[in-house]
Amino acid sequence: SQQGEEDPQALSIQEGENATMNCSYKTSINNLQWYRQNSGRGLVHLILIRSNEREKHSGRLRVTLDTSKKSSSLLITASRAADTASYFCATAPTDSWGKLQFGAGTQVVVTP
Amino acid sequence: SAVISQKPSRDICQRGTSLTIQCQVDSQVTMMFWYRQQPGQSLTLIATANQGSEATYESGFVIDKFPISRPNLTFSTLTVSNMSPEDSSIYLCSVADTSQETQYFGPGTRLLVL
Repeated sequence: SQQGEEDPQALSIQEGENATMNCSYKTSINNLQWYRQNSGRGLVHLILIRSNEREKHSGRLRVTLDTSKKSSSLLITASRAADTASYFCATAPTDSWGKLQFGAGTQVVVTP
Repeated sequence: SAVISQKPSRDICQRGTSLTIQCQVDSQVTMMFWYRQQPGQSLTLIATANQGSEATYESGFVIDKFPISRPNLTFSTLTVSNMSPEDSSIYLCSVADTSQETQYFGPGTRLLVL
């Protein structure tokens, strides 16, 4: 079952703009991971943030985690057309080691 | 990160038939997982496949419908049995890294049942 929700469901931006998407979840977690999926293909792992971390960076990606609000955000800076994809957050609940629960996903379209 | 391959990459099947999907990893891993992604939806965990023991199925998934094998630490199969159009989905396998935190996914098998 899905752990939580993502918003927005869809996001359309122009190249060079920033894209922000949010993820909310319901239970206590060990970590939260963000993935990218291009056109129904396999998932590409982007970044993992542990429950004791508040912010993490990887290249043009910035992830925040607020465990008190049970929410996370993914920021993609200076977006490119190649960033067009669906983005999913996935949580690893503390009571289900190794099992990921996925959000509904945000579909991002970056136009040149 | 682990390199994961799946076979077949896609298939079109007739209802009532079965399809076995293979997942191969380039390194030994303890935990392997099978997920389903229905059209336009997110991923749902089907089961956890551990070498040397029976697979553990999530609520709503049963062994008779989705039998799983895990003969060694680099390979697993998922069979979709007695298929119906509702089984049309992308099926993905994943593995956990040595810390069992990060999960890496295979390219998926796109299944269409007519």
